[in-house]
Amino acid sequence: GDSVTQMEGPVTLSEEAFLTINCTYTATGYPSLFWYVQYPGEGLQLLLKATKADDKGSNKGFEATYRKETTSFHLEKGSVQVSDSAVYFCALGTQGAQKLVFGQGTRLTINP
Amino acid sequence: GAVVSQHPSWVICKSGTSVKIECRSLDFQATTMFWYRQFPKQSLMLMATSNEGSKATYEQGVEKDKFLINHASLTLSTLTVTSAHPEDSSFYICSARSAGNGGYTFGSGTRLTVV
Repeated sequence: GDSVTQMEGPVTLSEEAFLTINCTYTATGYPSLFWYVQYPGEGLQLLLKATKADDKGSNKGFEATYRKETTSFHLEKGSVQVSDSAVYFCALGTQGAQKLVFGQGTRLTINP
Repeated sequence: GAVVSQHPSWVICKSGTSVKIECRSLDFQATTMFWYRQFPKQSLMLMATSNEGSKATYEQGVEKDKFLINHASLTLSTLTVTSAHPEDSSFYICSARSAGNGGYTFGSGTRLTVV
């Protein structure tokens, strides 16, 4: 079945460091890929998405490129801030199936 | 942008009582609503999918008689935890899929504590 595997956390970085959170997927067909962010005590917010191969999603300095050949959608940010501390979830949505499939989440902590 | 209002944000109830959680799509029609459960420091576990006007589809292992889902209109879905027990304590999150653009919008979650 469809699945998403994320880099295990927690991840702790200093402010202004470069961030990569790895995400790979297994799916039939051509899924859409998403990154969601969850701040403490809150629901999920869509951070960015890509709907087809080679698409790059970007938002708030975060980027991820849909790589079909490596079945990956790694999240990157060039210079993280303390306010980026949150849990990040990679997810996929497949054609025909309405539900999203989530990775296990990666907790990110940024220290000043 | 699309907004889903989820209430209450937190609730404490006694063991054996029932609790209702509401999710409303405020500015769009949601043909499909999803209910998730999230344990501390874990990912979201899909409990059920509901389409407006029809019965919910529950994931394997989820007790449909315990977690009652109603999706009576295109803007409202409810999850009722019946005869709650301490092991039902968790963070419950709803998500609505727009009929228009197919996007997913999440509620802010409900922290349920059963004492």
